[in-house]
Amino acid sequence: EVQLVESGGGLVQPGGSLRLSCVGSGFSFSDHYMDWVRQAPGKGLEWVGRIRDKSKSYTTEYAASVKGRFTVSRDDSKTSLYLQMNSLKTEDTAVYYCARGNCIGGSCFAGFHWGLGTLVIVSS
Amino acid sequence: DIQMTQSPSSVSASVGERVTITCRASQGVSSFLAWFQQKPGKAPKSLIYAASSLQSGVPSRFIGSGSGTDFTLTISSLQPEDFATYYCQQYKSYPLTFGGGTKVEIK
Repeated sequence: EVQLVESGGGLVQPGGSLRLSCVGSGFSFSDHYMDWVRQAPGKGLEWVGRIRDKSKSYTTEYAASVKGRFTVSRDDSKTSLYLQMNSLKTEDTAVYYCARGNCIGGSCFAGFHWGLGTLVIVSS
Repeated sequence: DIQMTQSPSSVSASVGERVTITCRASQGVSSFLAWFQQKPGKAPKSLIYAASSLQSGVPSRFIGSGSGTDFTLTISSLQPEDFATYYCQQYKSYPLTFGGGTKVEIK
């Protein structure tokens, strides 16, 4: 059974930092692109960022709203995905989901499998 | 960025009814379009990818169609467990973008 388990959420002040983690199991973690997707309270889904697999040199992509502040990384030896969030803003308050990407026909969608999410609250 | 516009934003329907949700892209995305279902307090679930390919284990009453800029998700006969919010996602180009969601409610 595929599992993605996020951790690291919590309350942080504006301007602060937080590191989210996601541990994957039940699939070949190292072979897949991995994404972070967030959902502000009562709002829709927003893609945050992606890290490709080793064959693509672990390159990354980001949403404009987080570029330069957030960093996606991974450790395949620990089947883990990370999201380092710096210079946090109140508008970053959301549930953050870890999601496995799936590549078909040359492009890769985010969300073949999803974790349960971890809540980040940015508030003073 | 490619904007994804879903309509309607909400729909009320009865069990057994046919429901159609539309997703329009601001520019062509070929068939790089996925659909997700989300129930309150839960993580989203993948339903359809490549515009019309059903994810394993998803009931055949979920039907995806379209290409280019116009896509539809049809639930052929609504079941009680289908009351949820549905999102489309384009993955033709970065940033990946989602539609605003369509909430399917009980009439």
